[in-house]
This record gives sequence, structure tokens and C-alpha cells, in this order.
Amino acid sequence: AQSVTQPDIHITVSEGASLELRCNYSYGATPYLFWYVQSPGQGLQLLLKYFSGDTLVQGIKGFEAEFKRSQSSFNLRKPSVHWSDAAEYFCAVGATGGFKTIFGAGTRLFVKA
Amino acid sequence: GAVVSQHPSWVICKSGTSVKIECRSLDFQATTMFWYRQFPKQSLMLMATSNEGSKATYEQGVEKDKFLINHASLTLSTLTVTSAHPEDSSFYICSATHDSANYGYTFGSGTRLTVV
Repeated sequence: AQSVTQPDIHITVSEGASLELRCNYSYGATPYLFWYVQSPGQGLQLLLKYFSGDTLVQGIKGFEAEFKRSQSSFNLRKPSVHWSDAAEYFCAVGATGGFKTIFGAGTRLFVKA
Repeated sequence: GAVVSQHPSWVICKSGTSVKIECRSLDFQATTMFWYRQFPKQSLMLMATSNEGSKATYEQGVEKDKFLINHASLTLSTLTVTSAHPEDSSFYICSATHDSANYGYTFGSGTRLTVV
């Protein structure tokens, strides 16, 4: 069965520092992978997605993610974090059978001044 | 871009009453809609998948008689929490797509349900 693991429940970074959020997936074939961001009390916004092709994917708000098949990972990165990036980040995989999306547990990002 | 409106944003109801949550695609026709439930500080758990004009498909463990889903048109799906109890208090989020094969989903802003 498909699954997504986000090892870090929360991460704190200083404003202006670089960021990497980890995501590992379990899937039998080439997965469809996503990163979403959720602000408190809000819905989810898609940051980026990977279906095929170039393994380095560019997203909105300066985020990028790299698909590494050998490590079953799809880590999210940003070179310089802004205070407005503080939010909950979810990694997700597109599941077969009904085109459902399976979400990881999420990583809460805190940004300190 | 694709916009999904979810209403209400928050609702408080008494135990035993029913609450209806609406999910509308404003600028596209959504052939498939999904309903999720999110407990505090937890991830989204898929409750059900609804396709326009057919019965919803519920995930294992979700009571279909308690969580009634109606997808009567290509722009509207509703989730009705029947005979609500405090344990039903949660954040409910819908997503809609016109392109499920490419996972082109748009999420609503969610509904905070509190049952007292």
C-alpha cells in the first residue's frame, strides 16, 4: 500500500536560513508526488508536484523539491526562508485506484527572527 | 485558476443535530470531489470520494449513514454530518478536480465543526 512518511514533526529555522523538509514514500511504481502548505485554519495550497521527467521540480514561493528514486524521497527545499513561510507542510502521494491522495503526517515549520 | 469555495468556514451545533457543509467549484466543473477530516495537529484523512451523479465511495471505517455525501451537480458536493456528537468535532476539507487522472485538485478552505 502507498504511504508517506515525514520524519520531522516540527522544524525551527531562522529567517533567511535555508530549509529542507524531508519526505519518504512507499509506492510500487513511479509515484505522483506533491507538497502542500497549510496555514492555520485554512485549506491546502499546492506548492509543487512531480509526475515524471526532470527530478528537480520548481514550485511557487521559491520552493523546489527533488525526486530521488533510489532513496524513495521527495524533499522540499528553499534557499532562504521568510517569516511568512511558517505553516504546516504536507507531502503527499497520488494513490492508484480512484486517484486518491495519501498525505503524510505533516511538518510544522517555525521561523524565528 | 481553479477555485473551490467551502461553506461555512466554521459552525457550532448542538449534539444530536445535523450539519451540512457545502463544497463548490466556482470556475470549473468538478467530476470528482473528495472529503477529508483533519484532527488537530494531524494529517488529512480521506473520508470519501464522490463522483457526480453516483454514490460516494467511503473509506474503511467511515460511517456512510453518519456522513452523508451528495454530489448532485458538477459544481456542488455536500457533506452532512447527521446526529452530530462532540467526537465529530473536527476540521473538514473538501477538494475538487476536473482532471483526476493528473491529480489536478483544488482544496477548499475548510470547515471547523464544533459540536457542543
